[in-house]
Amino acid sequence: KAGVTQTPRYLIKTRGQQVTLSCSPISGHRSVSWYQQTPGQGLQFLFEYFSETQRNKGNFPGRFSGRQFSNSRSEMNVSTLELGDSALYLCASSLVGHYEQYFGPGTRLTVT
Amino acid sequence: AQSVTQLDSQVPVFEEAPVELRCNYSSSVSVYLFWYVQYPNQGLQLLLKYLSGSTLVESINGFEAEFNKSQTSFHLRKPSVHISDTAEYFCAVSEGSGNTPLVFGKGTRLSVIA
Repeated sequence: KAGVTQTPRYLIKTRGQQVTLSCSPISGHRSVSWYQQTPGQGLQFLFEYFSETQRNKGNFPGRFSGRQFSNSRSEMNVSTLELGDSALYLCASSLVGHYEQYFGPGTRLTVT
Repeated sequence: AQSVTQLDSQVPVFEEAPVELRCNYSSSVSVYLFWYVQYPNQGLQLLLKYLSGSTLVESINGFEAEFNKSQTSFHLRKPSVHISDTAEYFCAVSEGSGNTPLVFGKGTRLSVIA
């Protein structure tokens, strides 16, 4: 079974721009979570989607948003990019009723 | 609120020596516990998990972790490390109420020296 896939793997953007990252979960997984990983803050939870609804949200500003489609694929969007948004963005999926999450390879976003 | 503390940010160890990576958590409810491993330029791979039952859990590549409720710990051990075990290891907790996000520790960088 294919794992979690994320596109693109690398991205370079300029301050003030916006960006959209994509995540395809493992087949059959309906829950998708997003995490931001930085050297200073470590791994921080952004939000979780299940059945196209945001079920949980972390402590991030409104510039960070996401959505989930009927096929469970998910996108996250960051508007008005700041230098501090440079990070590895990880997507994880899980089965309904299961607590373990399976991660994709991440999208490395660099904001200049 | 739940939190995870990984007491060592870096652990150097010689090949074939034993290693223990320490993890403590705080939570007011029952928890599910996980260890993930991250190799350079990759995502996180699930190494092992404690959900219920036996407090000692094992992975297929020789790692084991023991859930200790009284000490709120979930330390990761391996009796003999290999060069290929060099990576960053993250301890994570999810509260037992379900549908809650993972809370991660800051990570421990394990460096295996030949």
